[in-house]
Amino acid sequence: KQEVTQIPAALSVPEGENLVLNCSFTDSAIYNLQWFRQDPGKGLTSLLLIQSSQREQTSGRLNASLDKSSGRSTLYIAASQPGDSATYLCAVDNYGQNFVFGPGTRLSVLP
Amino acid sequence: EAQVTQNPRYLITVTGKKLTVTCSQNMNHEYMSWYRQDPGLGLRQIYYSMNVEVTDKGDVPEGYKVSRKEKRNFPLILESPSPNQTSLYFCASRFGTVTDTQYFGPGTRLTVL
Repeated sequence: KQEVTQIPAALSVPEGENLVLNCSFTDSAIYNLQWFRQDPGKGLTSLLLIQSSQREQTSGRLNASLDKSSGRSTLYIAASQPGDSATYLCAVDNYGQNFVFGPGTRLSVLP
Repeated sequence: EAQVTQNPRYLITVTGKKLTVTCSQNMNHEYMSWYRQDPGLGLRQIYYSMNVEVTDKGDVPEGYKVSRKEKRNFPLILESPSPNQTSLYFCASRFGTVTDTQYFGPGTRLTVL
């Protein structure tokens, strides 16, 4: 059964720092991996989707990488801002049907 | 505006009283799914549907029912709610291919007394 973990569980950084969030999964037979952002009391917003054949995706200050063979993904946030404060979730897509989410990393960016 | 809508957004009910949470999407998506989110357990998939009249169990289907009679709607039914179903529920949808992102509804906060 697929299991997804995220490290760290929480992170607090001063504004302007670059940071890395980590996601690990146990079964490498995935179709894709997706990173989401969740603000308190709100739904999820998709940030980046990496297909299993890809190594990375970039959107603005965000860069996500995928190493399927080792079961790992990282989300890199450059020049962090207070508006980046949220919970970040990764999810793996098993065979295009079943999605498994990690527990999330709660990020606080201090002004 | 392309979106996934859920109703109600908040619901307080009592044990055993049947309820339905509706989910609708206006993007002509084939795939729809329900999740519940609990502190310390994260998001867990309840049921999903690959297309009309096709549904399948996720990781935590016990105590829930779904139906997919139309492409745009995917209601979640709790026939006899219990307190352990108190949770935050999310509906999501996407096109059928694995290259497409999931779009999430705003969530329904359910409390079962």
